[in-house]
Order: sequence, then structure tokens, then C-alpha cells
Amino acid sequence: EPEVTQTPSHQVTQMGQEVILRCVPISNHLYFYWYRQILGQKVEFLVSFYNNEISEKSEIFDDQFSVERPDGSNFTLKIRSTKLEDSAMYFCASLQGVYEQYFGPGTRLTVT
Amino acid sequence: AQSVTQPDIHITVSEGASLELRCNYSYGATPYLFWYVQSPGQGLQLLLKYFSGDTLVQGIKGFEAEFKRSQSSFNLRKPSVHWSDAAEYFCAVGARNSGNTPLVFGKGTRLSVIA
Repeated sequence: EPEVTQTPSHQVTQMGQEVILRCVPISNHLYFYWYRQILGQKVEFLVSFYNNEISEKSEIFDDQFSVERPDGSNFTLKIRSTKLEDSAMYFCASLQGVYEQYFGPGTRLTVT
Repeated sequence: AQSVTQPDIHITVSEGASLELRCNYSYGATPYLFWYVQSPGQGLQLLLKYFSGDTLVQGIKGFEAEFKRSQSSFNLRKPSVHWSDAAEYFCAVGARNSGNTPLVFGKGTRLSVIA
């Protein structure tokens, strides 16, 4: 069964550093999403991406964040200058057209 | 805007006992409804979903959920819990006006299973 993959599984970085989280969505899917989950809290939407542009973003997704689909397969989330409060599990999801989003296993980001 | 309430933060049940996890949503119409399960340190696995039709939906691992429009609820049930069911459970809603809008999650219910 096709699945969403994410790399790395765990990223440790120092405050102020840039990080790039990578996702490979399911190949025939059209919509892509990033969510995050701070430890012990609920999953929150960050951004959605369709047709090579952002289709929707939350208030969390400020100028420090950016997304890109650099080629036909990868979907990346960049945090320009990490803060302690960016420490969280980041989930990528993809959707073929409607209804069911498929989630990746997540990347745990630890900012020290 | 949609919202989801999971009133129970933590539930403990005995192995073999029945389980019901509550989920209430707020949305102007009937949303798409989902239950996800998350084991410690793991990703989100879809247990079941409701889009339309029969209001009682069956999912994986013996779970089922019932959509009740009058109560704006989508409670998850299992007749006999196994120790491996211990995990965090999240209810989520999606807007029906567009099937690709972001999901809104509840805060989750942590399930502990005791012998």
C-alpha cells in the first residue's frame, strides 16, 4: 500500500538555525499538508499546498516558515530561524482529491 | 469554523471491557468525521471515517463509531478492549464544502488498559 514518508525521523537543532523537514507524498496525490503537534497537545494545521502554491495557512505559519515542492516528489517545510517553541512533531499529509488525508510517521524536531 | 471537543482527557479500562470515547463537533453542516489513533512516538493511523450514508461506521481493529446529527457527536466504541489498544485517540473533522480543507483535531483522549 502506498504511504507518505518523512525524513528525518528526529532532528535536533540549535535555536536560530534553519531546518528543512522533508516529505514524500503518495505519488498521485494533489494536495499536501503540514501539521504539527507540540508534546502533549493536539494536532494543529500549519499549511496546505496545491498546484504549486499555498492554498491555506494558519496563524502559526508565519514568515519563519516556508514550503516548497522542489521536484515532482518531495514536499518540504523550512523553518528559517528555529525557536524553542518550534519543538514539536511535524506531520506531513497528502490527499488525492477529497476526503481522506494520509499522514506520514512524523518528524520530531527538538530545538535546544 | 469547525471545532472538536473530546471531553475525556484520560480513560482507563480493563482488558476485555467495552470502550466508548466521546467526540462532539461544532460545524454549520454535516462535516466529514474521522478517528485517528496514535501510539507513543508514532504517527497517526486512521481508524475509521464518516462521509455519508449509514451512520454506524466500522473501522479497523474492531472499532466502530456512530454519527448522531442531533447530538453533533461521533463517538468511538469497541466491545472488548485489548491491551494493545492503549494509545492516544483523536477525533477530527473536515469541512464538507470542500473535501480538501485542513482537518481540525480534538485534543485527544489517552486510553490506558489494565489487566
